[in-house]
Amino acid sequence: DAGITQSPRHKVTETGTPVTLRCHQTENHRYMYWYRQDPGHGLRLIHYSYGVKDTDKGEVSDGYSVSRSKTEDFLLTLESATSSQTSVYFCATFEGEQYFGPGTRLTVT
Amino acid sequence: LAKTTQPISMDSYEGQEVNITCSHNNIATNDYITWYQQFPSQGPRFIIQGYKTKVTNEVASLFIPADRKSSTLSLPRVSLSDTAVYYCLVGVLNNAGNMLTFGGGTRLMVKP
Repeated sequence: DAGITQSPRHKVTETGTPVTLRCHQTENHRYMYWYRQDPGHGLRLIHYSYGVKDTDKGEVSDGYSVSRSKTEDFLLTLESATSSQTSVYFCATFEGEQYFGPGTRLTVT
Repeated sequence: LAKTTQPISMDSYEGQEVNITCSHNNIATNDYITWYQQFPSQGPRFIIQGYKTKVTNEVASLFIPADRKSSTLSLPRVSLSDTAVYYCLVGVLNNAGNMLTFGGGTRLMVKP
């Protein structure tokens, strides 16, 4: 499973507050991804990274930013959380196939 | 990125073979076809991957016709534990900036 952990696993926050989700991997994979999953939408790519300090936008990047200062860590930040960002967030790495983390369930009230 | 189309849901019974077909009419020459399985409250996990003809592993088989515009995931003798969502993806492997786009997937329900 590429040793992917996500933290926190569950979070409830209020509208307008900043939130940072962390993804940590132990396999030294170059590519890392953040997805969100909502009922009826499958997984949608938010941002991805192809190396330290190298990131790019996915299809639903508005309202999100990312940072990757080390190979093993990929952070997703919601600058000002909104109710529409209530979702399950998955981190993934890629090395021939994608490996997914356990997910973070975020609720914005 | 090649768009994929799959049935939204399928029902089956334990012990039956299940075939899930995915359409990808605009697949590119360098694209591979990959299938993932997702159980509730878990991230997707890799099942099988192929480029053409047939690929088989301990979990499933993948059939890809010569024109590669579709592919079929075959699960032999399903059990209740195969109830999950199955995603078909098409994309280039190991390409800088590679993004694997997940569609809505196929929700398979296996009944006793």
